[in-house]
Amino acid sequence: ELKVEQNPLFLSMQEGKNYTIYCNYSTTSDRLYWYRQDPGKSLESLFVLLSNGAVKQEGRLMASLDTKARLSTLHITAAVHDLSATYFCAAPHGTSYDKVIFGPGTSLSVIP
Amino acid sequence: DAGVIQSPRHEVTEMGQEVTLRCKPISGHDYLFWYRQTMMRGLELLIYFNNNVPIDDSGMPEDRFSAKMPNASFSTLKIQPSEPRDSAVYFCASSSYGGGLYGYTFGSGTRLTVV
Repeated sequence: ELKVEQNPLFLSMQEGKNYTIYCNYSTTSDRLYWYRQDPGKSLESLFVLLSNGAVKQEGRLMASLDTKARLSTLHITAAVHDLSATYFCAAPHGTSYDKVIFGPGTSLSVIP
Repeated sequence: DAGVIQSPRHEVTEMGQEVTLRCKPISGHDYLFWYRQTMMRGLELLIYFNNNVPIDDSGMPEDRFSAKMPNASFSTLKIQPSEPRDSAVYFCASSSYGGGLYGYTFGSGTRLTVV
């Protein structure tokens, strides 16, 4: 059964610093998704990574996918307070891509 | 498009009562998903539909939970009877191409409290 893990689960960082969130998944998949959730709000799709080696960037966030290592990373550059949120990765369960399993989330707090 | 619309936003009910949560997906999306979010268990997929047909309900916790999608623009998740452990935020999401090329669009969620 597919398991999706994230590391760390909680992250407190100062503004201006860089950090990386890691997402490991247990079964073969060639795609991976990242979502953001603000406190008390819904989830918003950030990145859809569709192949090995895929890299996408949006502002201070950059996501990458290594399907051989079953690893995706979300890199934060020069963090700002507005990035404070919970970040989830999610991987497809099986080959149909219909069903997506979410990781536990990484709660990020950026301190001024 | 108004996005995925869920109602109600908040629901407080007494144990044993029936609860119905509602969802209107984005027009043209052929997949609809119901998730439950709690601190202890995170985001759990309960059930999903493709073209109004339930495809996988293996995440539905027990027979007290049921979901329907009578047409492409409406789905319900019903809990009968409700129990305090059902307290959670229930999200509906829709997509085209399943998990998809574009990811899911989530609704605002329904925060359910069973007392």
